[in-house]
Amino acid sequence: EDQVTQSPEALRLQEGESSSLNCSYTVSGLRGLFWYRQDPGKGPEFLFTLYSAGEEKEKERLKATLTKKESFLHITAPKPEDSATYLCAVQETHKLVFGAGTILRVKS
Amino acid sequence: ETGVTQSPTHLIKTRGQQVTLRCSSQSGHNTVSWYQQALGQGPQFIFQYYREEENGRGNFPPRFSGLQFPNYSSELNVNALELDDSALYLCASSDLTGNEQYFGPGTRLTVT
Repeated sequence: EDQVTQSPEALRLQEGESSSLNCSYTVSGLRGLFWYRQDPGKGPEFLFTLYSAGEEKEKERLKATLTKKESFLHITAPKPEDSATYLCAVQETHKLVFGAGTILRVKS
Repeated sequence: ETGVTQSPTHLIKTRGQQVTLRCSSQSGHNTVSWYQQALGQGPQFIFQYYREEENGRGNFPPRFSGLQFPNYSSELNVNALELDDSALYLCASSDLTGNEQYFGPGTRLTVT
């Protein structure tokens, strides 16, 4: 079965301090890798889908990249409103297999 | 464009009771998936519905069942509730490719 591991479990940054979140995966055939943002008590908010190694996508201060074994979510000059849990998932036929997430806290 | 909606927002039930959760899919989407998210964990796949038929199921017992209606809305039913069923229940809609799955706000179920 597909597996997804996210690191670190938690990350504290100062406002403006850029960093990256990691998502490593094992899958028999990657159909898609998803990134979501989740605020406490809310549903996940769709950010990106990546399909093949080398692909990159950007949205505001976020940039997602994909290799054959892992994906990175780069956060450039984060702001306090970027604080959330970031979830990574791989698509396995009809379902998404999620990692446990990285809790990001950005302090002003 | 209407997003994914879920009802109710919160629910408190007693062990052994039954519960029904509801989901309306995003406009243009014909596939609905249900997930259970325990505190501090990622969502876990329960099942998916496409054209009113179950189209895949995760590792959940038969007391978790569902329906999809002609308008693509869906219900999740859980019988004989257990304490461990306490979680955030999420509904996601997509087209059948699943290339973009959009989640609703969730229903927080507490079993006492």
